[in-house]
Amino acid sequence: DSGVTQTPKHLITATGQRVTLRCSPRSGDLSVYWYQQSLDQGLQFLIQYYNGEERAKGNILERFSAQQFPDLHSELNLSSLELGDSALYFCASSDQGSHLPNTEAFFGQGTRLTVV
Amino acid sequence: KNQVEQSPQSLIILEGKNCTLQCNYTVSPFSNLRWYKQDTGRGPVSLTIMTFSENTKSNGRYTATLDADTKQSSLHITASQLSDSASYICVVSAPRGGADGLTFGKGTHLIIQP
Repeated sequence: DSGVTQTPKHLITATGQRVTLRCSPRSGDLSVYWYQQSLDQGLQFLIQYYNGEERAKGNILERFSAQQFPDLHSELNLSSLELGDSALYFCASSDQGSHLPNTEAFFGQGTRLTVV
Repeated sequence: KNQVEQSPQSLIILEGKNCTLQCNYTVSPFSNLRWYKQDTGRGPVSLTIMTFSENTKSNGRYTATLDADTKQSSLHITASQLSDSASYICVVSAPRGGADGLTFGKGTHLIIQP
């Protein structure tokens, strides 16, 4: 167990809908990273938050947004969902502000999103 | 464009055998390289991390090597066990910060058969 908690574990929704994925980092970790993993793309870095502020941005679509709350948990919001958004979404946390792989980060078990 | 290519895409070996997974990258300049193990349905777990000045790094039965001149890395697994069945992902980092400093390989899917 990495100490990073993601909910829900599975999510099935229809095209055009909006969903929210939640991540609770390890106790004491200030950084949260979001990744998308689809079968043909491998892991894609989406966005990083550090202590409530956006720190780094990757290949995140405009339909997607994230935030980190004062208690350090983070949410990833996906809207106007398309079939191609079906993927595993991982959250990772670390105690430092620099991104992987310069720091040790711990991954949650992921949320499997299926858009039908 | 920075790229990380892993080979083979998938591999099946018998329990107890050794295997080597390859990672070629074009990231330049280069800061460090990490190998992750990802069990099915779980998040990646770090196995090794090497800077450009390191040639080899071991973690139990896992040994990673790095040749920064040829931009190649390998992950050698000794005396494979059924629990080694997983995807192995190579990640290369450029020195600068930011999301564009990370390049992920697509992984090698390893299956260990009894």
